[in-house]
Amino acid sequence: DSGVTQTPKHLITATGQRVTLRCSPRSGDLSVYWYQQSLDQGLQFLIQYYNGEERAKGNILERFSAQQFPDLHSELNLSSLELGDSALYFCASSSRTSGHLGGEQFFGPGTRLTVL
Amino acid sequence: DQQVKQNSPSLSVQEGRISILNCDYTNSMFDYFLWYKKYPAEGPTFLISISSIKDKNEDGRFTVFLNKSAKHLSLHIVPSQPGDSAVYFCAALRLSGTYKYIFGTGTRLKVLA
Repeated sequence: DSGVTQTPKHLITATGQRVTLRCSPRSGDLSVYWYQQSLDQGLQFLIQYYNGEERAKGNILERFSAQQFPDLHSELNLSSLELGDSALYFCASSSRTSGHLGGEQFFGPGTRLTVL
Repeated sequence: DQQVKQNSPSLSVQEGRISILNCDYTNSMFDYFLWYKKYPAEGPTFLISISSIKDKNEDGRFTVFLNKSAKHLSLHIVPSQPGDSAVYFCAALRLSGTYKYIFGTGTRLKVLA
């Protein structure tokens, strides 16, 4: 158990809809990262927050947005969903903003999103 | 533009033998390289990392080698155990300038008993 929790575990929705994925980082971790893993793809970095502020942006679509709240939990909002958005979405946390001493991240179990 | 590549999607090794997982990268500006292991229905878990100023890091049965001139890193698992069967991702981290944390596509390792 990494200490990172994600809800829901599974989500099935229709094209055009909007969903919110939630992540609670490990206790004390200030950095939260979001990743997308499509079928047979590696993990695509989407976005990083540190203590409530956006710190880095990866391959995140404009239809997607995220935020980190004062209690450090984070939400990833996906809107105008398309079939190709079906994927596993992982949240990770770390205690350091920039990954000193190796850059280890702790991953949650993921949310499997299916868009029909 | 896949900056971190794992060209072998799968690998099978006999229990007790050495497993060698490979990873190539294109950008020499990365500061750290990491290996993660992933079991089905779970998130990746960190395994071992290496700073770009080192060429080897060892932790128990796991050793990571970095060849900067070839832009290549490898993970050696000796001896391999059935519980090592998982998908292994290499990742590259750039701290300076534009932050980058890039994962490869993974290699599925199967250790045969």
